[in-house]
Amino acid sequence: DAGITQSPRHKVTETGTPVTLRCHQTENHRYMYWYRQDPGHGLRLIHYSYGVKDTDKGEVSDGYSVSRSKTEDFLLTLESATSSQTSVYFCAISERSGSLSPSYEQYFGPGTRLTVT
Amino acid sequence: GESVGLHLPTLSVQEGDNSIINCAYSNSASDYFIWYKQESGKGPQFIIDIRSNMDKRQGQRVTVLLNKTVKHLSLQIAATQPGDSAVYFCAEKSSGYSTLTFGKGTMLLVSP
Repeated sequence: DAGITQSPRHKVTETGTPVTLRCHQTENHRYMYWYRQDPGHGLRLIHYSYGVKDTDKGEVSDGYSVSRSKTEDFLLTLESATSSQTSVYFCAISERSGSLSPSYEQYFGPGTRLTVT
Repeated sequence: GESVGLHLPTLSVQEGDNSIINCAYSNSASDYFIWYKQESGKGPQFIIDIRSNMDKRQGQRVTVLLNKTVKHLSLQIAATQPGDSAVYFCAEKSSGYSTLTFGKGTMLLVSP
């Protein structure tokens, strides 16, 4: 995950506060994804982006919004954090721009551990 | 915090053994499958992938087998090493879509 960074890596916040997580890539990949990982559930897709300003919802999008104003950055915002959003959040990227054929393997960042008290 | 490894099925093997990790999928429209390894405190790491027009694909010490008839995927790790200890996930992609759906994972424990 050398080309994907997430910030912050750890955060503790209070219920009701807004939180923004950042994913930054240096790989020039077209797709970017936000997942959450919880015991007993595996990785679940929150939102994803297929280009600058192009985003779509995933399986568990309620309570989350995203923005992608440039290729390198994908932001995940919790408008008003709740305890149920305590989780580990992973960003992933796929499909290098300019690829001649589609590729679906995703490469993951190191994760952000978020605790909402 | 609670580890993602809790509540998962576990496979325990001895160093040097071959390991087989299984994954069942339900979507007959899935056309791409992938295996990931996740070590404690790290992000998932790509291991190997296979498209639905293949039955088998080999990598370095790993082989993925796909049986579309029974919707079953397996990951074989040859000569398992302690460094292989991790949680292993399979994921599938449905035809016409670009997103992956992940399984819950299996924890592999390798004893020296």
